[in-house]
Amino acid sequence: NAGVTQTPKFQVLKTGQSMTLQCAQDMNHNSMYWYRQDPGMGLRLIYYSASEGTTDKGEVPNGYNVSRLNKREFSLRLESAAPSQTSVYFCATDVLSAPGDEQYFGPGTRLTVT
Amino acid sequence: AQSVTQLGSHVSVSEGALVLLRCNYSSSVPPYLFWYVQYPNQGLQLLLKYTTGATLVKGINGFEAEFKKSETSFHLTKPSAHMSDAAEYFCAVSPDDKIIFGKGTRLHILP
Repeated sequence: NAGVTQTPKFQVLKTGQSMTLQCAQDMNHNSMYWYRQDPGMGLRLIYYSASEGTTDKGEVPNGYNVSRLNKREFSLRLESAAPSQTSVYFCATDVLSAPGDEQYFGPGTRLTVT
Repeated sequence: AQSVTQLGSHVSVSEGALVLLRCNYSSSVPPYLFWYVQYPNQGLQLLLKYTTGATLVKGINGFEAEFKKSETSFHLTKPSAHMSDAAEYFCAVSPDDKIIFGKGTRLHILP
């Protein structure tokens, strides 16, 4: 089992370009999450999907959109990248999005916007 | 709003010495608490979690944490540090269907 996979691993964009970060899981989990990690800021939730067909905003959703394509896949789209979106992006999953559920993380995508 | 505070963004200990990483949470109800570890260029992985029951929780790699409600703390300890423990550690709280992470503490191990 691969667990949680993310593509690409690295990406450099110019300001204004668009791109989609892909996340897939083979653990049959219902809930999926997108975080960004910046130095000294910890992890901040961008969007999450408690179950297939639903998505909700997290703490820092501006400038991003998401699609829960099916139970396995949850993508994050930057329509017009800005230097402030330079970050490491992590996808995570958990079984049921219930209090106390642990989350399982992918390896991350390192994005630089110039 | 629920939150977690990790004291010290960087902690250095000598190999073989006690590791103590501090975490305090704010919560009006007993929370679910976690410690995650992030090794360089990797995602986070769960070290241990507290839900209910025994307040001393044992995790992987010899780490443990004690839930102290009176102090609203959930400090992480390991009796003897190893070079392989060098990583970033995140305390987290789960008040509802989401997890709120602290800002992280980077642990440096001195030879």
